[in-house]
Amino acid sequence: DAKTTQPPSMDCAEGRAANLPCNHSTISGNEYVYWYRQIHSQGPQYIIHGLKNNETNEMASLIITEDRKSSTLILPHATLRDTAVYYCIVILTDSWGKLQFGAGTQVVVTP
Amino acid sequence: DAGVIQSPRHEVTEMGQEVTLRCKPISGHNSLFWYRQTMMRGLELLIYFNNNVPIDDSGMPEDRFSAKMPNASFSTLKIQPSEPRDSAVYFCASSLRLAGSETQYFGPGTRLLVL
Repeated sequence: DAKTTQPPSMDCAEGRAANLPCNHSTISGNEYVYWYRQIHSQGPQYIIHGLKNNETNEMASLIITEDRKSSTLILPHATLRDTAVYYCIVILTDSWGKLQFGAGTQVVVTP
Repeated sequence: DAGVIQSPRHEVTEMGQEVTLRCKPISGHNSLFWYRQTMMRGLELLIYFNNNVPIDDSGMPEDRFSAKMPNASFSTLKIQPSEPRDSAVYFCASSLRLAGSETQYFGPGTRLLVL
């Protein structure tokens, strides 16, 4: 599975959009981009995933570049409850589902 | 629908004791995963099952660790004997099937402290 690179931390003001970047320059055509987050003292939580097209759900939007070498997770209106570690993971579509979590990005939403 | 259920939520034990962690996956999910999280190593996949059968246990740290899934609604992770370095948060996750395109749903975790 392709490796990912994320900034270690970022701050965001409450109510503003949070844009979380992820580089996955070695991604292959049959690898999904997944985003999970982990709020302190809780288990990881699924946010969104995509293969080629941009995706949106009730939690966030995922923008994948045309060459698929990077992506951005967008939290449109960050709240204090969005403070968490956000993990970007790439995984083969036909793999056994082995998620490999990196260090992620610690996002702190401030009032 | 209840999510993944883990018990106990907290466990404090002494070195050398046996520890058993329990997990009930989401009903209808066929795949189950055990992870361990520490500050030093982050989140690590220990073992996973598909249709109650262990598929890959290469992440299990050593023979002191064992996992079973006797039926579709129950799994255990056992450490015998426990050591202080086993102190960590242990998460169980489940998914509908074993595929990269399937979302994994995590339980709240068991915080283990071995003294």
